[in-house]
Amino acid sequence: DIVMTQSPDSLAVSLGERATINCKSSQSVLYSSNNKNYLAWYQQKPGQPPKLLIYWASTRGSGVPDRFSGSGSGTDFTLTISSLQAEDVAVYYCQQYYSTPWLTFGGGTRVEIK
Amino acid sequence: EVQLVESGGGLVQPGGSLRLSCAASGFTFINYEMNWVRQAPGEGLEWISYISASGSTIYYADSVKGRFTISRDNAKNSLYLQMNSLRAEDTAVYYCASDMGAAHRGLFDHWGQGTLVTVSS
Repeated sequence: DIVMTQSPDSLAVSLGERATINCKSSQSVLYSSNNKNYLAWYQQKPGQPPKLLIYWASTRGSGVPDRFSGSGSGTDFTLTISSLQAEDVAVYYCQQYYSTPWLTFGGGTRVEIK
Repeated sequence: EVQLVESGGGLVQPGGSLRLSCAASGFTFINYEMNWVRQAPGEGLEWISYISASGSTIYYADSVKGRFTISRDNAKNSLYLQMNSLRAEDTAVYYCASDMGAAHRGLFDHWGQGTLVTVSS
């Protein structure tokens, strides 16, 4: 299985400030034939199911605000919230779909307001 | 509006069985691959099973293989998860999730609200 490791486990950021979450995969999730990274990010607010935020490492999902951005390639990825809003308080998970259907998620990063 | 509504969760003793259902509406269910994902209390997400649109292709995570069975009834727009030989570590919220499929297989664009399964004596 591809193991996904996120850091930090949690972070507290002031409103309007930048939040950065890291995700590392145990093997590359870059598919050489199409040069795509099979890496997604989900947001899970308290009491709600996850919501797809970003896929292909950097493509925003439908209706996702542009303050959310994804970057990285191969084994190292980053989710950035450029200006944290109160509604962004959530747990964020990275997920690899390179080895679909045997998908794996990171352990999650909790984002709170400082 | 796409809706996925899970049901069938509850309290069950170790070794017992439960059958979860997921009722789909607002989209053409027969065209969609589906998955079950679970989340233990206070923990992260774990993919556990996949079924193709026709039901002919099925996969399981090692943690549930041989104990859980995924199925679907496209005439009833429903997805199921039969869970046998339940263990305490199966305690979790169980989500059904639709797969974007094809070039986006493995991406889950719609999720239900989940149903809680508690395995305890």
